[in-house]
Amino acid sequence: DTEVTQTPKHLVMGMTNKKSLKCEQHMGHRAMYWYKQKAKKPPELMFVYSYEKLSINESVPSRFSPECPNSSLLNLHLHALQPEDSALYLCASSQEGRGSPLHFGNGTRLTVT
Amino acid sequence: EDQVTQSPEALRLQEGESSSLNCSYTVSGLRGLFWYRQDPGKGPEFLFTLYSAGEEKEKERLKATLTKKESFLHITAPKPEDSATYLCALFYGGSQGNLIFGKGTKLSVKP
Repeated sequence: DTEVTQTPKHLVMGMTNKKSLKCEQHMGHRAMYWYKQKAKKPPELMFVYSYEKLSINESVPSRFSPECPNSSLLNLHLHALQPEDSALYLCASSQEGRGSPLHFGNGTRLTVT
Repeated sequence: EDQVTQSPEALRLQEGESSSLNCSYTVSGLRGLFWYRQDPGKGPEFLFTLYSAGEEKEKERLKATLTKKESFLHITAPKPEDSATYLCALFYGGSQGNLIFGKGTKLSVKP
């Protein structure tokens, strides 16, 4: 079991749907991250939140919209996705920004039809 | 140009056959090197952090070492349950820094 919890574990959505991915951590970490991972590839950074403020957006298309309601929660809102957006979406957290190791959840397997 | 390279891409071992995985890097201003284990369909599981050349960390059958240009993950007498993809990630650079992952080494241990 990991200390970063992601829901749902699996999600299938059509290109016109709106859905949200959720992430929760109770380790007191103040930095939270969204990564995208395609099969047999390393994780790719999408967004970084530091102290609940968006600090990094790696030129992610606007159909992905992150939200950090509080220091323990991180959401990723999805709208009008494309089939190529199908991937494993990973949430991670770390202490005091990016110099500390990231702790990952087990991800949401997203399939866009 | 890759800044972090893991080798080999895949490694097949017999149970009990010790070996090493390599993570070499060309970044400057290294601030930390992390090793992760990832099982299929799961998120990466944190194993070790190394911060300076000469540092070593151990956990069960795994030992990680760091030099100025590379890190090794030594696996002693592996078991089938050690089969996974092993990722290294580097944190480097100034102010906010950058984190970059290698492409991983897929390890298979046969009984």
